[in-house]
Amino acid sequence: DVKVTQSSRYLVKRTGEKVFLECVQDMDHENMFWYRQDPGLGLRLIYFSYDVKMKEKGDIPEGYSVSREKKERFSLILESASTNQTSMYLCATGSGGGGYTFGSGTRLTVV
Amino acid sequence: TQLLEQSPQFLSIQEGENLTVYCNSSSVFSSLQWYRQEPGEGPVLLVTVVTGGEVKKLKRLTFQFGDARKDSSLHITAAQPGDTGLYLCAGSSNTGKLIFGQGTTLQVKP
Repeated sequence: DVKVTQSSRYLVKRTGEKVFLECVQDMDHENMFWYRQDPGLGLRLIYFSYDVKMKEKGDIPEGYSVSREKKERFSLILESASTNQTSMYLCATGSGGGGYTFGSGTRLTVV
Repeated sequence: TQLLEQSPQFLSIQEGENLTVYCNSSSVFSSLQWYRQEPGEGPVLLVTVVTGGEVKKLKRLTFQFGDARKDSSLHITAAQPGDTGLYLCAGSSNTGKLIFGQGTTLQVKP
């Protein structure tokens, strides 16, 4: 089974801090995704990557950036955290037209 | 813009009842997936349907893809408290990304 590991389950950060969320997959999947999940809004795509060093903006990229230096690792960066970025962040991986495998999520609170 | 509308958003039923969750769009999807998410965890893939009219069964869960590949349904027979969770449908868009519905929160009371 594909395993997707997110580095932290819970994070509390201060407004203005730079925040790194890490995601590692243990299969050779090309595609990796970062979503945020908020009540009533569902899952919204922030960024995705189809290959090493490649990145594409999703639906809500503002305030975020990503890094994919190795195939198995996809990092989400909040350049200057704000309270409206308090959310559940989900990393996912997939291959071709099949389903996604999600990590357990990181619940980020910005105070 | 491709959108998926899920209904109902919330469902609270007694153990043993049947229920159906709907996922509708005006767009055609190449495939559609259903996920289940428990509190504090990421969504877990239940099934992928690809062919129009396709029906798949997973124990007490029956998934159907509409003939025109624009809609899908999830039917649960004799719901159990263990079925409680958030159910999400997701369609593969024409750009290759997954588009998610807003989700259906199901509570099954013993």
